[in-house]
Amino acid sequence: DIQMTQSPSSLSASVGDSVTITCRATQGISNFLAWYQQKPGKVPKLLIYAASTLQSGVPSRFSGSGSGTDFTLTISSLQPEDVATYYCQKYNSAPLTFGGGTKVEIK
Amino acid sequence: EVQLVQSGAEVKKPGESLRISCNGSGYSFTSYWISWVRQMPGKGLEWMGRIDPSDSYSNYSPSIQGHVTISADKSITTAYLQWSSLKASDTAMYYCVRHFEASAYYDYWGRGTLVTVSS
Repeated sequence: DIQMTQSPSSLSASVGDSVTITCRATQGISNFLAWYQQKPGKVPKLLIYAASTLQSGVPSRFSGSGSGTDFTLTISSLQPEDVATYYCQKYNSAPLTFGGGTKVEIK
Repeated sequence: EVQLVQSGAEVKKPGESLRISCNGSGYSFTSYWISWVRQMPGKGLEWMGRIDPSDSYSNYSPSIQGHVTISADKSITTAYLQWSSLKASDTAMYYCVRHFEASAYYDYWGRGTLVTVSS
């Protein structure tokens, strides 16, 4: 089965900083990759699908890129409301594996 | 408005059985798959399995296979996750999610059902 590895597992950055999270697949998955945001105590929310397509209503400071095995999620200007854990997920075929998550905090 | 309404929190003992539910509304229930996602306390998200409510075809994560059963009743637009014998390690939050193809991203999530298994 394809495994998804996220890095870093956690990060701390200042408000206004650009933040990048990486997700790597052990085999190519084309662009069948989604990113989810889970704020503390809340339900996960879809941010990006097809590696780079922003879900409706998601702020434009979020962006995604990549194809094949390497993907990134970038927050261009970190805001206090972005404190959350971010998960990537491959969905090209079962099992629909998630990455381990990246916890983003404000410095 | 699309909604996935999950049943309430449960507290069970090891060895007991349990079925939790997820009622879909505001969309064509048989046009979308339902998956179940587990989140153990303080841990990440784990896909458990999925079902096509139109014909009840289902498949499971290899790590989950045999321990749970996913089913659906399209007449009442409800999907289920069922255990015949709970273990303490089943303690987790369980989310149902909607997706438009067998392998697709999850655009709507239920609010979760917390299952606690303790003697």
